Amino acid sequence: GQQLNQSPQSMFIQEGEDVSMNCTSSSIFNTWLWYKQDPGEGPVLLIALYKAGELTSNGRLTAQFGITRKDSFLNISASIPSDVGIYFCAGQLQVGTSGSRLTFGEGTQLTVNP
Amino acid sequence: SQTIHQWPATLVQPVGSPLSLECTVEGTSNPNLYWYRQAAGRGLQLLFYSVGIGQISSEVPQNLSASRPQDRQFILSSKKLLLSDSGFYLCAGSAGNTIYFGEGSWLTVV
Repeated sequence: GQQLNQSPQSMFIQEGEDVSMNCTSSSIFNTWLWYKQDPGEGPVLLIALYKAGELTSNGRLTAQFGITRKDSFLNISASIPSDVGIYFCAGQLQVGTSGSRLTFGEGTQLTVNP
Repeated sequence: SQTIHQWPATLVQPVGSPLSLECTVEGTSNPNLYWYRQAAGRGLQLLFYSVGIGQISSEVPQNLSASRPQDRQFILSSKKLLLSDSGFYLCAGSAGNTIYFGEGSWLTVV
């Protein structure tokens, strides 16, 4: 089956630093999604990418859909303490009438030191 | 945009007791609906998905079942809980290319 490798698994940074994380896959996807999860809550969608090569920003966040459709990265610029949480990438491949199946990365735990 | 409501938020149940977690969707019709389980704050495992009323697909063999009695309602159930059923359960829904999550339900089986 499809697998997503997300790295790094964890990051410890100082406030103000930039952050970069990425996901790679053995298979292609039609959509890449990036989520952030705060402790004890459900993941919240940050950025959705629908087209190979697409570069999308949401405030201090920037994400790109790789040209090969097998990878994506998320950058956070000028990190702040509230950026702390787990970031998940997810690849989606629409499969006929069987629904949009998501494959998740294992997550990147981000810690920001003030 | 769609909103996913999920309850209860936390639940403590004895081994062997039944379970019912409920999820409803607002803001869209005919969504695809999903139940995920998350272990230790990492790794989301797809348990069930549904593309319509009464249509349920199971991803992994387990002690749980799912039902979709209405278009925007998805229920996760068990007749007899096991200790290993403890975890964080997430309902999700999609209409189009984007999937949104509920706030999750913490289940502790004691």
